[in-house]
Amino acid sequence: DTAVSQTPKYLVTQMGNDKSIKCEQNLGHDTMYWYKQDSKKFLKIMFSYNNKELIINETVPNRFSPKSPDKAHLNLHINSLELGDSAVYFCASSLSNSPLHFGNGTRLTVT
Amino acid sequence: QQPVQSPQAVILREGEDAVINCSSSKALYSVHWYRQKHGEAPVFLMILLKGGEQKGHDKISASFNEKKQQSSLYLTASQLSYSGTYFCGTFREGSSNTGKLIFGQGTTLQVKP
Repeated sequence: DTAVSQTPKYLVTQMGNDKSIKCEQNLGHDTMYWYKQDSKKFLKIMFSYNNKELIINETVPNRFSPKSPDKAHLNLHINSLELGDSAVYFCASSLSNSPLHFGNGTRLTVT
Repeated sequence: QQPVQSPQAVILREGEDAVINCSSSKALYSVHWYRQKHGEAPVFLMILLKGGEQKGHDKISASFNEKKQQSSLYLTASQLSYSGTYFCGTFREGSSNTGKLIFGQGTTLQVKP
């Protein structure tokens, strides 16, 4: 029944590790996003895909790599994690420029 | 490129009114408003398309002035449940802007009994 689901909900890992966050939507949307929300609550867009095609790749380190195997999935892989990567990562989806539906977020803590 | 919201924070008593503004330096196609409660995901409130329209949602309404490139969110007779952080998100004009929803820095609203 969940519209946009992302896993895991919490992720605690050490510096230098590689981790992935998965996102799936069952709304039939054609656009999916990754946003990073830091401790100051700023929602910064990282990537967006429209029909599996990369639309936005903001100033994000190369250690972050999104992958969209199909329109319903957008995963985020992060290599060589750093302390500054600690944040809440939100996946979202929409039908073109219509309202975004957000997942519940993944709280990443790098120690 | 990021829209600018004001004020940064508001503290109200129940029943009071508030206005949150969102301004952009670029021509806008549409403005979205979202509310995020503590520890939760942002939730969509309303969307305004260019044309200067206003929209209402219970006691929350919004306007969009495309000439001034700004939108305002009006919260009347605030309730405790209105507490949270409000974000405006903007899509710039141009068909190539699909997937480019950029958020303002957020306005934290706290409603006290």
